[in-house]
Amino acid sequence: LAKTTQPISMDSYEGQEVNITCSHNNIATNDYITWYQQFPSQGPRFIIQGYKTKVTNEVASLFIPADRKSSTLSLPRVSLSDTAVYYCLVGDPSGGYQKVTFGTGTKLQVIP
Amino acid sequence: DTAVSQTPKYLVTQMGNDKSIKCEQNLGHDTMYWYKQDSKKFLKIMFSYNNKELIINETVPNRFSPKSPDKAHLNLHINSLELGDSAVYFCASSLLRGISGNTIYFGEGSWLTVV
Repeated sequence: LAKTTQPISMDSYEGQEVNITCSHNNIATNDYITWYQQFPSQGPRFIIQGYKTKVTNEVASLFIPADRKSSTLSLPRVSLSDTAVYYCLVGDPSGGYQKVTFGTGTKLQVIP
Repeated sequence: DTAVSQTPKYLVTQMGNDKSIKCEQNLGHDTMYWYKQDSKKFLKIMFSYNNKELIINETVPNRFSPKSPDKAHLNLHINSLELGDSAVYFCASSLLRGISGNTIYFGEGSWLTVV
């Protein structure tokens, strides 16, 4: 089964760049890598999605190496409001790729 | 405008009761979901519907019954509530099925406490 592995938690000081790496060794050939963010007491929200190389939007950058077995979410100059859980998702073949499965996520704590 | 709205936001009820959580999306999406997030914060899919048809049904007690009267609504009815049902229930919707090339929009959650 395709699944993702990411650190359980990370701490960072305000103003630093934060990189969260996710491994997905069994990613399917045509599968995308998607990251969601969940603030306390809110539902998850989409951050970024990519297939290969690099994707950048106003919130984050996503780096995907050529073998696509891992990806790195990069948050530039984090602030306290970036404290959240970050989930890395790939397709779940157990549901015929129709199932959207969240892993344990990485709890990012930004410190003043 | 709220894209995915669910009611009630908070619900406290006694064991054995039957309760419903309603969900509506105004995004014109074809696919809707129910997720459960327990006290350990693990977000687990329960059901997924596409155009009113059930497409994903995880190992969920049959006390939980989803109902989709139309593709904009997906309600969750829970019979004979148990203490272990206490959790946050998230409704979500998306245009497509699955995760690739798709964006899933979540509601704000319904906090269910069974006492």
